[in-house]
Amino acid sequence: EAGVAQSPRYKIIEKRQSVAFWCNPISGHATLYWYQQILGQGPKLLIQFQNNGVVDDSQLPKDRFSAERLKGVDSTLKIQPAKLEDSAVYLCASSLGSGLVRADTQYFGPGTRLTVL
Amino acid sequence: AQKVTQAQTEISVVEKEDVTLDCVYETRDTTYYLFWYKQPPSGELVFLIRRNSFDEQNEISGRYSWNFQKSTSSFNFTITASQVVDSAVYFCALQASGTYKYIFGTGTRLKVLA
Repeated sequence: EAGVAQSPRYKIIEKRQSVAFWCNPISGHATLYWYQQILGQGPKLLIQFQNNGVVDDSQLPKDRFSAERLKGVDSTLKIQPAKLEDSAVYLCASSLGSGLVRADTQYFGPGTRLTVL
Repeated sequence: AQKVTQAQTEISVVEKEDVTLDCVYETRDTTYYLFWYKQPPSGELVFLIRRNSFDEQNEISGRYSWNFQKSTSSFNFTITASQVVDSAVYFCALQASGTYKYIFGTGTRLKVLA
């Protein structure tokens, strides 16, 4: 079974530029998550989708970050314009999220390492 | 409030030593789930185990074992006979009640020296 795919793996941009990340979840997984992981810290949830609807985006800096999951499968996360403090690893995860299962294990992709200069 | 504490920032051991990674959690929920993930240098978080709050039975999987104690709100992870390939950052996480949201600890970096 294929895991969560992400691209690109690495990205270097200058501040005020735009950047986009792509995620393809495990087939059949309804729930998709984007996390930001700053060096030395645990992952922080940015946004959670259930199919193509947003469940939780309370920690997404909406003035510069946006995310979409139009067909309930792939997702993109965009930063515009980027700031120095956005340098981090951006992790995508997916889970079955059927709503019927209480415990829902998340499976993570390899992440995208973003460096903002 | 829900919280996960991993007090050990970094641990170094020599290969073949046993090592225990501590995880202490806080929650007022009676039903909750705890997880351990491994993050090797490649960056991907690898799922290791999930434990629900009603099952305090310890679990062993090869060289890995987990000790869940509700009385002390701890979910500790032991690697027996550590190997260099065990070098990674290990995260403990708590699944919040009513949502699928994880609350992660800050992680413990394990270095296994040859």
